[in-house]
Amino acid sequence: QKEVEQNSGPLSVPEGAIASLNCTYSDRVSQSFFWYRQYSGKSPELIMSIYSNGDKEDGRFTAQLNKASQYVSLLIRDSQPSDSATYLCAVYQAGTALIFGKGTTLSVSS
Amino acid sequence: GAVVSQHPSRVICKSGTSVKIECRSLDFQATTMFWYRQFPKQSLMLMATSNEGSKATYEQGVEKDKFLINHASLTLSTLTVTSAHPEDSSFYICSANRPSGGVYNEQFFGPGTRLTVL
Repeated sequence: QKEVEQNSGPLSVPEGAIASLNCTYSDRVSQSFFWYRQYSGKSPELIMSIYSNGDKEDGRFTAQLNKASQYVSLLIRDSQPSDSATYLCAVYQAGTALIFGKGTTLSVSS
Repeated sequence: GAVVSQHPSRVICKSGTSVKIECRSLDFQATTMFWYRQFPKQSLMLMATSNEGSKATYEQGVEKDKFLINHASLTLSTLTVTSAHPEDSSFYICSANRPSGGVYNEQFFGPGTRLTVL
């Protein structure tokens, strides 16, 4: 069974710190990897996608992918209270629906 | 990102009635859309995959006769909750695949529909 694992948290970081969110996946043939942010009571919002090994940066967000270790991470630099949300890792392979992890709750304190 | 709309955003209905939820991709064509349900403080649960012009594929445990899905065009999928009961009260969210070729398949979510069945 294909699985995506995330630590549920909560992960608590002070404002201005780096938040590090981690995700592992079980299926080696997974091809695409995504991070979504979901605020309480709202639907998920796509914030990062990554397809090849290495780092991908977008503003304060950096996604890291290591296919050999089947590991995806999201770094949030200069964390702000507005970053407090649940972050969902999702994995895709052709012909299937996205497989979501259960999410990590991030709390950024001011 | 791409825009996916959902209507209505909130609905309250009596037990036994049917409710239709629309999901539209506004700025791209989506051959595949997905319907999810999320109960409070729980994770997303995929209900079904909706393919334009063909029957939906339902996940195990989801009653296809209760949750009717129609994907009549490349920009519209509908979910009808038939004979709704209080236990169907939930947050229903659709998403649409924006294909970019190969593995570059980004999925965008609608804003969700909060259903309350009295």
